[in-house]
Amino acid sequence: DVKVTQSSRYLVKRTGEKVFLECVQDMDHENMFWYRQDPGLGLRLIYFSYDVKMKEKGDIPEGYSVSREKKERFSLILESASTNQTSMYLCATSRPRRGTYNEQFFGPGTRLTVL
Amino acid sequence: SQQGEEDPQALSIQEGENATMNCSYKTSINNLQWYRQNSGRGLVHLILIRSNEREKHSGRLRVTLDTSKKSSSLLITASRAADTASYFCATDAWGNEKLTFGTGTRLTIIP
Repeated sequence: DVKVTQSSRYLVKRTGEKVFLECVQDMDHENMFWYRQDPGLGLRLIYFSYDVKMKEKGDIPEGYSVSREKKERFSLILESASTNQTSMYLCATSRPRRGTYNEQFFGPGTRLTVL
Repeated sequence: SQQGEEDPQALSIQEGENATMNCSYKTSINNLQWYRQNSGRGLVHLILIRSNEREKHSGRLRVTLDTSKKSSSLLITASRAADTASYFCATDAWGNEKLTFGTGTRLTIIP
């Protein structure tokens, strides 16, 4: 089974702090994704990476950056946390879409509160 | 921008009844997937239907896809308390690794 872990389930930070959210997967998947989930808005893609050191902006990249130095690890960075970044953050992985099947596997999520 | 919209936003039914959720999307797709999310947890993949398929079954789940109407439905038969969760549809386009998720349906099964 694919295992996707996230560094924290709950996190409380102060406005202006630099925040690191880490995601680690053990199934050698090339693709990794960061989403945020807010009530009534569903999941919105922040960034994704399709290989080491490769990244692409999603729908809402402003205020975030990412790092992928190793295949199994994908970090989301909030350079200067703000209260509007209070949200649930979800990491996901998938195999490359060589066929047509691209199921995503999710971590348990990190609920971040910025005070 | 959001691709999928689920309907209804929330649904409460008695245990044993069938639950139907709908998803509409805006542009041409390759696959449509359904995911379940238990409260405060990550999403779990349930079923995938390809654009050239019209219906698919998996256990108590039945998914239909109507590409002419750009819509899909998820039917859960003989519901159980453990089915209480949020359900999301997700779509992707040809050649695109990304999924676009809808806003979800919150399903509550009343024992």
